Amino acid sequence: QVQLVQSGAEVKKPGASVKVSCKASGYTFTSYGISWVRQAPGQGLEWMGWISAYNGNTNYAQKLQGRVTMTTDTSTSTAYMELRSLRSDDTAVYYCARVDSSGGDSWFDPWGQGTLVTVSS
Amino acid sequence: SYELTQPLSVSVALGQTARITCGGNNIGSKNVHWYQQKPGQAPVLVIYRDSNRPSGIPERFSGSNSGNTATLTISRAQAGDEADYYCQVWDSSTDVVFGGGTKLTVL
Repeated sequence: QVQLVQSGAEVKKPGASVKVSCKASGYTFTSYGISWVRQAPGQGLEWMGWISAYNGNTNYAQKLQGRVTMTTDTSTSTAYMELRSLRSDDTAVYYCARVDSSGGDSWFDPWGQGTLVTVSS
Repeated sequence: SYELTQPLSVSVALGQTARITCGGNNIGSKNVHWYQQKPGQAPVLVIYRDSNRPSGIPERFSGSNSGNTATLTISRAQAGDEADYYCQVWDSSTDVVFGGGTKLTVL
């Protein structure tokens, strides 16, 4: 079955960087994109951006431009999300999700289990 | 930027029908997707492109979209349907947009 498995929880200090991985299985990795979505404690879902696993093209949310980088390793079917210059308000659960799309429209299915990133001094 | 508005909470009696709305400017011209998120779990897609159910999602879940409001309808509500529900669209100016989420309580 289609599955996305993410790396474990991280604790980082303000100003540091974090890199979260998302390993895909059960489908042809390069046929779909991967999107990243985060959720601060008790809050809603915030889209961070997406990457095409086919050609590596990316599209980031304007709010995170310059701090986030999404990459893929097609040899291991793994996507990565790196966030730099961490602040306390970056504390959140970070999810990866496979992007299903049709005619410029996109939705997410399935999702990874989530990775808690805590930013604290 | 495009915005989606959801009620903070909706309550429904066990076995009755719950309706969760998602408001947006001319949202009927867009495709709306719905996710269910139970406490401590990742979101799960329950409706895509307004009214389509992924495999494994019960027929009790349905969706509609017209004018300025999209609606997720849950028939014969069960205790296991208690969760947060999020609508989502793709917009040409802001890419992916999520609604703020609605907490469904089954009484």
